[in-house]
Amino acid sequence: EPEVTQTPSHQVTQMGQEVILRCVPISNHLYFYWYRQILGQKVEFLVSFYNNEISEKSEIFDDQFSVERPDGSNFTLKIRSTKLEDSAMYFCASRDPGGDATNEKLFFGSGTQLSVL
Amino acid sequence: GIQVEQSPPDLILQEGANSTLRCNFSDSVNNLQWFHQNPWGQLINLFYIPSGTKQNGRLSATTVATERYSLLYISSSQTTDSGVYFCAVHIPGRRALTFGSGTRLQVQP
Repeated sequence: EPEVTQTPSHQVTQMGQEVILRCVPISNHLYFYWYRQILGQKVEFLVSFYNNEISEKSEIFDDQFSVERPDGSNFTLKIRSTKLEDSAMYFCASRDPGGDATNEKLFFGSGTQLSVL
Repeated sequence: GIQVEQSPPDLILQEGANSTLRCNFSDSVNNLQWFHQNPWGQLINLFYIPSGTKQNGRLSATTVATERYSLLYISSSQTTDSGVYFCAVHIPGRRALTFGSGTRLQVQP
């Protein structure tokens, strides 16, 4: 079964450093998302991306964050200058192009655990 | 914004027992999805269920959109069912899924 893959599974960085989290969505999917989960808390939406542009972002997704689809398969999340409070599990997700409502099912990757020291 | 509340927050079961998890939401939604987060942190999509009832093996889900709730039934629970169960909703006009705070389930042998 096709799946969303994320690398690395764990990332440790120093405060103030830049990190890039990588995702390969399911190949025929056209909608891409980043979510995050701080330890023990609920999953929070960061950003959605469609047709090579951001379609929606949350208040968490400030100027320190950016997303890119550098080629036909990868989708990245960059945090420019990490802060302690950026420590979380970051999930990439994707979904089918749509056409009918049953195609709105969201598929998540296994996550990247980011630890900012 | 929309409120998504799940109950109970924690649940401990003996293997073989049945359980019902509830998700209430405060406003109209386009769709609702149930996820299982296993002990390794993976989020597995269990059901896409904007309305009606679906079954998948020992799991089934029912959403009554007009009354703004959804139920997840787990029958004959197994230790591998342990983890956190989240419901998440799409509200009209938005791309984002809004997650509830989850039900943490522990199934003991």
